Amino acid sequence: NAGVTQTPKFRVLKTGQSMTLLCAQDMNHEYMYWYRQDPGMGLRLIHYSVGEGTTAKGEVPDGYNVSRLKKQNFLLGLESAAPSQTSVYFCASSALYEQYFGPGTRLTVT
Amino acid sequence: RKEVEQDPGPFNVPEGATVAFNCTYSNSASQSFFWYRQDCRKEPKLLMSVYSSGNEDGRFTAQLNRASQYISLLIRDSKLSDSATYLCVVNTAGSQGNLIFGKGTKLSVKP
Repeated sequence: NAGVTQTPKFRVLKTGQSMTLLCAQDMNHEYMYWYRQDPGMGLRLIHYSVGEGTTAKGEVPDGYNVSRLKKQNFLLGLESAAPSQTSVYFCASSALYEQYFGPGTRLTVT
Repeated sequence: RKEVEQDPGPFNVPEGATVAFNCTYSNSASQSFFWYRQDCRKEPKLLMSVYSSGNEDGRFTAQLNRASQYISLLIRDSKLSDSATYLCVVNTAGSQGNLIFGKGTKLSVKP
């Protein structure tokens, strides 16, 4: 039982490049989330999903897209990376309110 | 008023001390409350849920005051391993599981 896993763990991108972050959970949770965490800002919700095939915008969705084609996976895409997207990205899943987090992806955009 | 407010600290305490963290929330319709712990460069981990009657888990006690929209966490007999950032977390009413995270209070327990 791995819980929530994220790949990759680290990535450096140049401005304008694209990438996809993968989140996987093996707890059969309906809800999945993508957050970013920046110094002094706390965790901010980017997008979330309440079930397979559904997605919704969170607090800071601009510049990101997501997909939930399978219940266990939630993908976060950056189509054209910007330096403002340098951050630590956390994925989480929950049955309802108690969220369980993955180990994070540290992304640097130069 | 911010949705979830916490004293950022840091709280520097000696081993064995008792330390209390406070948190206020703005949405009176919130129903679920939690404390998460986050170690440096790690993911947040659920420490405990907070129930209306208050609840205790070993050295940790959480209290909720709905009238004042206030949550607290008490740590007794602090250990070096308690050093971390403690996040106060509140659900967004009607939000299908969404949570609002405070910015956290940093605790450093010294020998």
